Amino acid sequence: KAGVTQTPRYLIKTRGQQVTLSCSPISGHRSVSWYQQTPGQGLQFLFEYFSETQRNKGNFPGRFSGRQFSNSRSEMNVSTLELGDSALYLCASSLTGGDTEAFFGQGTRLTVV
Amino acid sequence: QKEVEQNSGPLSVPEGAIASLNCTYSDRGSQSFFWYRQYSGKSPELIMSIYSNGDKEDGRFTAQLNKASQYVSLLIRDSQPSDSATYLCAAYIIQGAQKLVFGQGTRLTINP
Repeated sequence: KAGVTQTPRYLIKTRGQQVTLSCSPISGHRSVSWYQQTPGQGLQFLFEYFSETQRNKGNFPGRFSGRQFSNSRSEMNVSTLELGDSALYLCASSLTGGDTEAFFGQGTRLTVV
Repeated sequence: QKEVEQNSGPLSVPEGAIASLNCTYSDRGSQSFFWYRQYSGKSPELIMSIYSNGDKEDGRFTAQLNKASQYVSLLIRDSQPSDSATYLCAAYIIQGAQKLVFGQGTRLTINP
């Protein structure tokens, strides 16, 4: 059974640009959650999508957005990149939501210069 | 008060001993708890989930949950050098925006 796939694995962007990250969940999983991981803040919840609808959102500015498609694949977009957005972005898929077992992808390492 | 708190360590344990990792959470309504292992440069890997009070065993790992004390722990028996990693405790918080909240992680080192 294929795991969670995130693309790309690494990205280098310039301040002010925008970026789109992709996540393909485990087959049959309908919930996709996104997290930002930094050494100082740890793993922080960005948002969760279920059946193409954003179900929950963390405390991040509106520059961070996402969407989910009918096949449960999800994308995350960050506009007007700032240096502080440099982080490991992780997505996790679960059957029905964060209260069930969630499995992480390998992550996208974003560096903003 | 942080929603999920862990001792950041580092915790150093000799090979073959029992490693004990602890976690507390603030939302009394939380029902779902998880332990993840994260090796340096890798993504978190699910080790255990626990939903009911008491112990849950899976191989060398035992998760313990005490909802009255809002306390979750993970015991690793017969610790191996390959168990050296950061262990993340997570609780599904239902107050406010429902979300899976992670502790800062405990760095565990198993000494041969």
